[in-house]
Amino acid sequence: NFMLTQAHSVSESPGKTVTISCTGFSGSIASHYVQWYQQRPGGAPTTVIYEHNRRPSGVPDRFSGSIDISSNSASLTISGLKTDDEADYYCQSYAGSSWVFGGGTKLTVL
Amino acid sequence: QAQLLESGGGVVQPGRSLRLSCAASGFTFSSYDMHWVRQTPGKGLEWVAAISPDGSNKYYIDSVKGRFTISRDNSRNTLYLQMNSLRAEDTAIYYCAKDLRGDYAPYWGQGTLVTVSS
Repeated sequence: NFMLTQAHSVSESPGKTVTISCTGFSGSIASHYVQWYQQRPGGAPTTVIYEHNRRPSGVPDRFSGSIDISSNSASLTISGLKTDDEADYYCQSYAGSSWVFGGGTKLTVL
Repeated sequence: QAQLLESGGGVVQPGRSLRLSCAASGFTFSSYDMHWVRQTPGKGLEWVAAISPDGSNKYYIDSVKGRFTISRDNSRNTLYLQMNSLRAEDTAIYYCAKDLRGDYAPYWGQGTLVTVSS
């Protein structure tokens, strides 16, 4: 079964750039679209990237997504970090018609 | 814009049943695959079930097969999750979500908390 793995946590300073990675196992990361969700403490997930690299309206262009077939991974890059970006970030793709999630990466901005 | 509002959560004893509802508005509900996803407090997201736009195809995580049933009423723009034989490990916040389609990103509701405890 297709699986996604993420680093447990990452930290970076305000104004810097951070990249969160999501690696696929038992299948190609390029086979299905990858989405990224932001979840602030006590809140519901919201979409920040969909279809690998598209941003929903309202999501600032500081957020970008990509995939790397050679490493079978997807990445979420956040530039110009703000303290408000501190949250859990989850990647999501598909195994057939079901959703598959990475374990989530806790981003600390300090 | 899209809105999803879950309801029906609460505290229930092990072995009992609960039905969750998710009222949709702001988009063409009958055109979208819909999902239920759960999250144990402090843990990650776990996909639970999905249903095709016309309700003819349903998919479940192995741990809920035979106990949970996903359904939808497109005339009422409402998604359901019937949960039977509940276990302590089903305790979680349950979110409904619409899948991506065309130019539209996935969208999540605010969630409803289910606590299974004696």
